[in-house]
Amino acid sequence: KQEVTQIPAALSVPEGENLVLNCSFTDSAIYNLQWFRQDPGKGLTSLLLIQSSQREQTSGRLNASLDKSSGRSTLYIAASQPGDSATYLCAVKTAAGNKLTFGGGTRVLVKP
Amino acid sequence: GAGVSQTPSNKVTEKGKYVELRCDPISGHTALYWYRQSLGQGPEFLIYFQGTGAADDSGLPNDRFFAVRPEGSVSTLKIQRTERGDSAVYLCASSSEQGAKQYFGPGTRLTVT
Repeated sequence: KQEVTQIPAALSVPEGENLVLNCSFTDSAIYNLQWFRQDPGKGLTSLLLIQSSQREQTSGRLNASLDKSSGRSTLYIAASQPGDSATYLCAVKTAAGNKLTFGGGTRVLVKP
Repeated sequence: GAGVSQTPSNKVTEKGKYVELRCDPISGHTALYWYRQSLGQGPEFLIYFQGTGAADDSGLPNDRFFAVRPEGSVSTLKIQRTERGDSAVYLCASSSEQGAKQYFGPGTRLTVT
């Protein structure tokens, strides 16, 4: 059974610092991995999707890496801003099915 | 274009009552997913539809939960004899095809009193 863990559960940084969010998964037979952002009381917004054959994806200040063999992904957010404050979730889709298995999320607070 | 929509946005019901939650996927998306998110946790998979049929219902917690998608578009999640433990945000997602990126709706917050 696939299990996804995100550490830390919460993170507080001053504005301008780089953010590093970690995600680990137990079954390396994944189809893809997705990073989402969730604002309080809102749904999920997809940030980046990395296919199993890829090592990283970039979008603006966001960069996500994937090391399938070690079961890890890292989301980097450069030069953080207060508007980056949200909960960040990673989710993996295994090759065997279509459902996403989510981690518990990292709650980020960027202080002005 | 329009994203995934869910109604109602909030639902408060008494223990033992029946509730229906509706999901309108992105037009043309053949795959539809239901997830449940408890406070402070990540979403958990409930059921996945490909077209009109439930391709994977392994996440439904018990037989009080049922979902339909009769015409391959709108889906309804039905919960019988609600319990306080059913209180959560119910999220719906759709994708253009099996395995493609999933787009999520805003969710329905269900509170069972």
